[in-house]
Amino acid sequence: GQQVMQIPQYQHVQEGEDFTTYCNSSTTLSNIQWYKQRPGGHPVFLIQLVKSGEVKKQKRLTFQFGEAKKNSSLHITATQTTDVGTYFCAGPAGGRGSTLGRLYFGRGTQLTVWP
Amino acid sequence: GAGVSQTPSNKVTEKGKYVELRCDPISGHTALYWYRQSLGQGPEFLIYFQGTGAADDSGLPNDRFFAVRPEGSVSTLKIQRTERGDSAVYLCASSLGLSGANVLTFGAGSRLTVL
Repeated sequence: GQQVMQIPQYQHVQEGEDFTTYCNSSTTLSNIQWYKQRPGGHPVFLIQLVKSGEVKKQKRLTFQFGEAKKNSSLHITATQTTDVGTYFCAGPAGGRGSTLGRLYFGRGTQLTVWP
Repeated sequence: GAGVSQTPSNKVTEKGKYVELRCDPISGHTALYWYRQSLGQGPEFLIYFQGTGAADDSGLPNDRFFAVRPEGSVSTLKIQRTERGDSAVYLCASSLGLSGANVLTFGAGSRLTVL
């Protein structure tokens, strides 16, 4: 079945350093979503990428969707303590043509930022 | 309501007991999802409703788990003969249910502990 793999599982950085998490799918995705979960909280939607090679930015966060629509990355520039949390990517089941229904979540990358 | 509401927030029960977890989605959201999250893991899909019907229940681990959404709004996840391995945070999410826009809004979750 479809899997969404994320690396690394943990990342510890000093405030001001950059951070990147990578997501890979075993199948082509119609879209990919990113969520952030703060410690003790629930996942909160960050962004959705749909087009091959798409790049989107949200302030210090840059999201990319691979040309083959099987991988994605999230890059944070100059991390701050407010960036602490676990970042999940999620892709829809059913492959290329599917946009509804269940989302498969990666295991997440837990980011710790030292002040 | 303004967000996805889940009750109870915490439930402690004994092995073998029956448990119900309730989810009240965002008004107007036709799609409703149940996920389960264990410590250090990403959300694991359980079941997805489109309106009143379970469109995809392939994630339910066994026949002890059942979910309903009789009027297309509130949903209840029911777990019979609970086992210690059922301990997790059960997350409910809702979305507009439109093609290409299944962005999930999660509730705060119900933490289930089976002793």
